[in-house]
Amino acid sequence: DVKVTQSSRYLVKRTGEKVFLECVQDMDHENMFWYRQDPGLGLRLIYFSYDVKMKEKGDIPEGYSVSREKKERFSLILESASTNQTSMYLCASSLYGLALATDTQYFGPGTRLTVL
Amino acid sequence: AQTVTQSQPEMSVQEAETVTLSCTYDTSESDYYLFWYKQPPSRQMILVIRQEAYKQQNATENRFSVNFQKAAKSFSLKISDSQLGDAAMYFCALGGGADGLTFGKGTHLIIQP
Repeated sequence: DVKVTQSSRYLVKRTGEKVFLECVQDMDHENMFWYRQDPGLGLRLIYFSYDVKMKEKGDIPEGYSVSREKKERFSLILESASTNQTSMYLCASSLYGLALATDTQYFGPGTRLTVL
Repeated sequence: AQTVTQSQPEMSVQEAETVTLSCTYDTSESDYYLFWYKQPPSRQMILVIRQEAYKQQNATENRFSVNFQKAAKSFSLKISDSQLGDAAMYFCALGGGADGLTFGKGTHLIIQP
């Protein structure tokens, strides 16, 4: 089975802190994604990566950055956390680099981030 | 831009009955895929069913089936013999183009015992 893990289930940070959310997948998938999930808004794509050191902006990249130094790991970085970044963050991966939109995505358990 | 609309924020069904969740979409792509994902309370999102747009036959997975109406851009999910474990948020998603999936806002499915 594909396993996607996220470093924390729950995280509480203060406004202005730098926050790192880590995601690891164990199935040699090429694509990795970060989403934000808010009630009534569904999932919105923040960033994605189709290869090591490659990254592309999604629909809502403002206030976020990402890093992918190794194939299995994709990090989401909040440079200076703000209260409007309080949300559930979901990481996902899929197998083929050229099938971003057609391949099944496998999700991690999510990190519920609260920024005070 | 692609859009996915789930018009039912919440649905309720009696255990053992059948329920249909609605999804409509819009895309300019000629080749695309449609997905239903399930997110149980406090658990990981998992794929329920997947449909290739070029296939006319509706996808089925055990008690889950879709009604894919390409001309109407409709992709509904039917759950037969509903079970308590089916209670979850259900998300419809569209994959086409270069940027990954576009998700709907979700339908919260409640199963009444």
